[in-house]
Amino acid sequence: AQTVTQSQPEMSVQEAETVTLSCTYDTSESDYYLFWYKQPPSRQMILVIRQEAYKQQNATENRFSVNFQKAAKSFSLKISDSQLGDAAMYFCAYRRNAGNMLTFGGGTRLMVKP
Amino acid sequence: DVKVTQSSRYLVKRTGEKVFLECVQDMDHENMFWYRQDPGLGLRLIYFSYDVKMKEKGDIPEGYSVSREKKERFSLILESASTNQTSMYLCASSWGSGGAYEQYFGPGTRLTVT
Repeated sequence: AQTVTQSQPEMSVQEAETVTLSCTYDTSESDYYLFWYKQPPSRQMILVIRQEAYKQQNATENRFSVNFQKAAKSFSLKISDSQLGDAAMYFCAYRRNAGNMLTFGGGTRLMVKP
Repeated sequence: DVKVTQSSRYLVKRTGEKVFLECVQDMDHENMFWYRQDPGLGLRLIYFSYDVKMKEKGDIPEGYSVSREKKERFSLILESASTNQTSMYLCASSWGSGGAYEQYFGPGTRLTVT
């Protein structure tokens, strides 16, 4: 079975600084997708960024980028120029390419200090 | 914009009651999901449905059942609520199976069983 681990229950960052959230996963599959989801306080969870395992290039979405290390089974999220609106729970998730089910990590609560 | 709505944001029920949580999506998505969210455990899949009247068990189906009579509506049923089912329940939907298909989430229902 696949597992996803987020080792940092809480992180904090100063506004305008950069922060990296860690995620590791375990799978025997070679074809899969990885996702970072954001859950703001009292608001709906939204997709931040996704990475296809067969792509070497790290995905980027504006201030959000990932460091995908397939051999190490590591998938970290970097947030640059942090903003107050980035404060949220962040979940790393895994799905094998042929599957429907997402496997989530335990989440990291990010606090942004003004 | 995809919209996933859930019937209640907060619900308080007594032990032994039958509880219905309803989810509606407005984008003609094939797949719908019910997750349970607990601190430190992330989201865990209870059930998902890939078509009307079709369902598959997720990781933690015990104590729950589901119903999907119409494509846009997916209900989670707690036949006899227990205190260990106190949790946040999230519904999600997606267009297709596997690959990079994004799951869209509802706002969640915080259920308290006393």
